[in-house]
Amino acid sequence: GAGVSQSPRYKVAKRGQDVALRCDPISGHVSLFWYQQALGQGPEFLTYFQNEAQLDKSGLPSDRFFAERPEGSVSTLKIQRTQQEDSAVYLCASSFTGGFGNTIYFGEGSWLTVV
Amino acid sequence: GQQLNQSPQSMFIQEGEDVSMNCTSSSIFNTWLWYKQDPGEGPVLLIALYKAGELTSNGRLTAQFGITRKDSFLNISASIPSDVGIYFCAGRYNNNDMRFGAGTRLTVKP
Repeated sequence: GAGVSQSPRYKVAKRGQDVALRCDPISGHVSLFWYQQALGQGPEFLTYFQNEAQLDKSGLPSDRFFAERPEGSVSTLKIQRTQQEDSAVYLCASSFTGGFGNTIYFGEGSWLTVV
Repeated sequence: GQQLNQSPQSMFIQEGEDVSMNCTSSSIFNTWLWYKQDPGEGPVLLIALYKAGELTSNGRLTAQFGITRKDSFLNISASIPSDVGIYFCAGRYNNNDMRFGAGTRLTVKP
């Protein structure tokens, strides 16, 4: 597609429910990133993929968070047993490669509210 | 948590005024970037800086990569109403690690 596409745009989950957030990166982009953005804050790094390989997951806040990109394009961020502190915008981003000169393009985000 | 200190947190200016915001870090970065985020949207890249001391312009925007590699500033000249939004600085040390500041919320009064 023309840009990074994320779905759902908005999700309300009851505490304890599992959620799955999907990211379609720009076609041909090798690198894919997930960020979490709390209200009034800047995005915080969660995890990074190069093709299907998850090279860095140091930003995942707990073992309830899991991300995958099995075929090297679409990625899913899964949050198990959601808690209220998980309420945030989850941003997906992609770039052609991981090199410094490659622009990282962000999607519009998936807004998660845990009630 | 945030590793970059971005200031000011918010600015209220009159249309036509110039704007300046900056970012500092205790760590060095190899790349500094400035993004703008509109409500309900993802961040959009404005300017990328790749060398210490580099000064780069994009229309009315000018940004500089500090020579210590620990700071950067963004200037907007002759602000217009569509400049309204949240501006984020971001630093990259390696290929996969980009850290963001907490943002500067800009309001432009016509």
